[in-house]
Amino acid sequence: GAVVSQHPSRVICKSGTSVKIECRSLDFQATTMFWYRQFPKQSLMLMATSNEGSKATYEQGVEKDKFLINHASLTLSTLTVTSAHPEDSSFYICSARGVVTGTGPTDTQYFGPGTRLTVL
Amino acid sequence: GQNIDQPTEMTATEGAIVQINCTYQTSGFNGLFWYQQHAGEAPTFLSYNVLDGLEEKGRFSSFLSRSKGYSYLLLKELQMKDSASYLCAAMDSNYQLIWGAGTKLIIKP
Repeated sequence: GAVVSQHPSRVICKSGTSVKIECRSLDFQATTMFWYRQFPKQSLMLMATSNEGSKATYEQGVEKDKFLINHASLTLSTLTVTSAHPEDSSFYICSARGVVTGTGPTDTQYFGPGTRLTVL
Repeated sequence: GQNIDQPTEMTATEGAIVQINCTYQTSGFNGLFWYQQHAGEAPTFLSYNVLDGLEEKGRFSSFLSRSKGYSYLLLKELQMKDSASYLCAAMDSNYQLIWGAGTKLIIKP
C-alpha cells in the first residue's frame, strides 16, 4: 500500500514554456497532497499544501501565479510551472497523506518518485 | 521559531551500528518522522514516533524523548545500500512537517 506515482519523471523544456506535473495516489485516497522542491544537497522545501476541492495554501515566497496547483480529486493533484525559467530547474516532489491500512500512521506523508525539471 | 537540527554527514563501517541524532523545536508536537532518501530519489518513510521510547523495526530503530525534544535513528548491521541521506521531520500543532536538512550517511567497506 501507499504508492504515489508522479509523471513525468524527467522533463527538459525551453525557457518560457509551461510544464505540468501529475501526482497520483494509486492505492489510497489522499486527503492532502504536498508539493516540494529540492535543490542539490539541500533539504526539502515545502511549496504548497492542497486539499481536494479547495485552493492550495502556498508557503511564503512561493508565487501562486507561477506554480499553479490543482487538486481535482482524492487521488490526483497537478503542479503547473508556468513560463518556466532556468532558475526553476529543480527536483519537484509530491507527497500524499491519507489513511493507508497496514503502513504508517494516518499523518504519514508518502512521496512520489519526483520530477527532475531542467529549463534551458 | 521552529527548528530541526541533525548532523550534516556521518561515516560508518559496513556491519557496524550508527546512531543519527535529531533535536527539534516546534510549535506544538504531533510526532517525529524519519525518512530515507537515496541520491536522486524521493524520500521513503522509515519510522514514526509520537510517544516516548524506542520503536524497533528490523535493523532500524527510532527513539523519542519529548521532554528533551530529541530523537535518534539507530541502524544496525549496516549494509552498503544504507548509504543515503536520513531526514528527520517533526509534525507541529498544525500537522505540518518541519524538515531537517538531512544527514548524509556514508558506509565504508
